[in-house]
Amino acid sequence: TQLLEQSPQFLSIQEGENLTVYCNSSSVFSSLQWYRQEPGEGPVLLVTVVTGGEVKKLKRLTFQFGDARKDSSLHITAAQPGDTGLYLCAESTGGSGNTGKLIFGQGTTLQVKP
Amino acid sequence: DAGITQSPRHKVTETGTPVTLRCHQTENHRYMYWYRQDPGHGLRLIHYSYGVKDTDKGEVSDGYSVSRSKTEDFLLTLESATSSQTSVYFCAIRSGGSRNEQFFGPGTRLTVL
Repeated sequence: TQLLEQSPQFLSIQEGENLTVYCNSSSVFSSLQWYRQEPGEGPVLLVTVVTGGEVKKLKRLTFQFGDARKDSSLHITAAQPGDTGLYLCAESTGGSGNTGKLIFGQGTTLQVKP
Repeated sequence: DAGITQSPRHKVTETGTPVTLRCHQTENHRYMYWYRQDPGHGLRLIHYSYGVKDTDKGEVSDGYSVSRSKTEDFLLTLESATSSQTSVYFCAIRSGGSRNEQFFGPGTRLTVL
């Protein structure tokens, strides 16, 4: 059974601080997505990474995919209250007859205080 | 906006009653998914569909059934709701391509008393 572990589960920081969220798998990913979810809404896709060692940037967010394609990280620089939310990573193993099924991590709840 | 709606958005029901949740998409995507979200568990796949009348089980399918009689609608049914099925339910569609990117509806909050 694939497992996707996210850490930390909770993070409460002051505005302006930096933070990193980690996502680790027991198996090799085909692709990995990061989502952000606000209360009362569905998850919203932030980024997809597919190549080992890949780095993607989205304003103050930096996403990295490990060389072995079994881990990923999300780094936020100078966090702002608007970054508050639940961050989820999700992996796909692809393969033959790709059904598109995703395995989600437990999520990281981020609170950024003004 | 992936054109996904869910209904109802909120429902309170009693143990033992049947419940059906509806997911509707406007963009003709082939793959659709039902997830449930509970604290500490992220999202867990209940069932998914890869075309009209083509469905398969996910990791937490016990107590749930699905139907897809047309491309745009994917229904999730709890035949006899239990308190353990109190959760937030999300429908998703898969965009085209090999990246398996999914786009989610707004969710249905279900409470089983």
